[in-house]
Amino acid sequence: DQQVKQNSPSLSVQEGRISILNCDYTNSMFDYFLWYKKYPAEGPTFLISISSIKDKNEDGRFTVFLNKSAKHLSLHIVPSQPGDSAVYFCAASVAFGNEKLTFGTGTRLTIIP
Amino acid sequence: DGGITQSPKYLFRKEGQNVTLSCEQNLNHDAMYWYRQDPGQGLRLIYYSQIVNDFQKGDIAEGYSVSREKKESFPLTVTSAQKNPTAFYLCASMTWTGPSGNTIYFGEGSWLTVV
Repeated sequence: DQQVKQNSPSLSVQEGRISILNCDYTNSMFDYFLWYKKYPAEGPTFLISISSIKDKNEDGRFTVFLNKSAKHLSLHIVPSQPGDSAVYFCAASVAFGNEKLTFGTGTRLTIIP
Repeated sequence: DGGITQSPKYLFRKEGQNVTLSCEQNLNHDAMYWYRQDPGQGLRLIYYSQIVNDFQKGDIAEGYSVSREKKESFPLTVTSAQKNPTAFYLCASMTWTGPSGNTIYFGEGSWLTVV
């Protein structure tokens, strides 16, 4: 049972445009969400997080939006750069301080120069 | 430099053999994790440990074993009972980031191939 879903396995975006990566979850107990970026043969690196008390969190070119009623979150990257080409994973946990994260299946983002 | 070190990066195993993947962190993090990644799948949790001398099974613990004798170290043994061990293995540790929650940091990963 996949509790965290990323329904788009891949996405291609022109350099300079906005990249939007989506993530849906089914467990209503999740209240803390993170995005990770992963290059081939490397470990994921943390990008940005959001807790359920917020609906938006911004960090430079990266913004995460959370829609709790729809159980949906999205990561916006603007403007997209070639170095953003990677696999992006969303992850969720049931509470602040809960150590168990559930990951989505990932979306491969390709930025076209 | 602080970080998480996994070794070896590449490992070949014959069927029927046990192998141990090393994970060391000098970040002073209490919690450590082992994940597995297969093509087209997300990261799946094998085992995690919140404190020394204690660990819990994740979603796919069968065929694996761990120990946590020291805060810095969380080795993973892939036993011969693991039916499909060829995968990319990721070790991670966790730190609190304050009121906004916690963040997991990953090592560079270990490729295990069964031949």
